[in-house]
Amino acid sequence: QVQLQESGPGLVKPSQTLSLTCAVSGDSISSGGYYWSWIRQHPGKGLEWIGYIYYSGRTNYNPSLKSRITISVDTSKNHFSLRLNSVTAADTAVYYCARALGYCTTTRCDPRWFDPWGQGTLVTVSS
Amino acid sequence: ETVLTQSPATLSLSPGERATLSCRASQSVSSFLAWYQQKPGQAPRLLIYDTSNRATGIPARFSGSGSGTDFTLTISSLEPEDFAVYYCQYPYSFGQGTKLEIK
Repeated sequence: QVQLQESGPGLVKPSQTLSLTCAVSGDSISSGGYYWSWIRQHPGKGLEWIGYIYYSGRTNYNPSLKSRITISVDTSKNHFSLRLNSVTAADTAVYYCARALGYCTTTRCDPRWFDPWGQGTLVTVSS
Repeated sequence: ETVLTQSPATLSLSPGERATLSCRASQSVSSFLAWYQQKPGQAPRLLIYDTSNRATGIPARFSGSGSGTDFTLTISSLEPEDFAVYYCQYPYSFGQGTKLEIK
């Protein structure tokens, strides 16, 4: 059974960097075929895709967040990470990691569905 | 970017009734549309993938259909545990959700 678990600080100060890690068990990131993703949910709101990384290191980011995001992968530890720079109160949200099956054309790879998801971690941006 | 619009925003029904949830895309999309269920304090759970395929462990009362721009999630006979928020997804966008509440 594949399980994902987010970890990281629950409180980040404005202008600082949000850093989260997603530990994967029951599957090997380096086996390929999946796109390891971050998704967030603002309090009481809907879901927003943040970005994904493939085991090779190839990434794809939400254009609205692209300038502030870095997603990295450590296949030796079987985890992947999110860094979001220059945070503001608008970045307060529950952050989820999820595995996505992808489908690829000659020019792009898109997530087909997200399953499973981590339990989520609330990150609050406040001084 | 494809925008997904779900309707209704809230659906009030009783256990045993049939629920029909709609997801409309701003442009024609492939069959790679998915549905999720989210209960309070929990992560979303995949229900339906590729428009009409139930995910592992999902009861047969859940079904999906549609094509082009119009997709539907149907719950044939509501159980108490089905009252939750439902989201559609394609591929980077999520709908705003439909809250299914007990009438």
